[in-house]
Amino acid sequence: GDSVTQMEGPVTLSEEAFLTINCTYTATGYPSLFWYVQYPGEGLQLLLKATKADDKGSNKGFEATYRKETTSFHLEKGSVQVSDSAVYFCALGISGGYNKLIFGAGTRLAVHP
Amino acid sequence: EPEVTQTPSHQVTQMGQEVILRCVPISNHLYFYWYRQILGQKVEFLVSFYNNEISEKSEIFDDQFSVERPDGSNFTLKIRSTKLEDSAMYFCASSQGGQGAEKLFFGSGTQLSVL
Repeated sequence: GDSVTQMEGPVTLSEEAFLTINCTYTATGYPSLFWYVQYPGEGLQLLLKATKADDKGSNKGFEATYRKETTSFHLEKGSVQVSDSAVYFCALGISGGYNKLIFGAGTRLAVHP
Repeated sequence: EPEVTQTPSHQVTQMGQEVILRCVPISNHLYFYWYRQILGQKVEFLVSFYNNEISEKSEIFDDQFSVERPDGSNFTLKIRSTKLEDSAMYFCASSQGGQGAEKLFFGSGTQLSVL
């Protein structure tokens, strides 16, 4: 069945370091791909999305490219800030599936000054 | 900015007890959802609800679970007889349309602990 696998955390970085959080997926059909972020005490917020192969989603300095050939959607940021500390979730949306999302387990990011 | 509100933020209950988790979706949204995350595991889809009926549910959503929209603003998840394995973070979500998951808004979750 459809599934998402993302790298385990926690990921601990110094401010201004480069961030990569790996995400791979298994899906039938043509899913949309998403990154959600959860800041402490808050709900899941959509960070970025891509709806077809080779699309690049971007927001707040974060980027991810939908790679069909490697079934991946890795999250990257060139220079992280302390305020980026959160849990990041990769997810896929099943086409025609009433907003049914398949999530990864989440990766906690801690950024230190 | 409109938001999905969940109460309580934490709920502790004894095994076998009934619990009701409450959610206030965004006011003009028509589709409502529950997801859950057991500690250290993936966020899992439980159920979607539209036009006062369940539109889709997962295999997790067995007869112990039910959802209801008792009035024009609340959306509830009831667990009839809680088990230890029901301990999880439960997320409510809503959307205006039934497709296009980028328009899905999540609440901050209710942490349920079953003792």
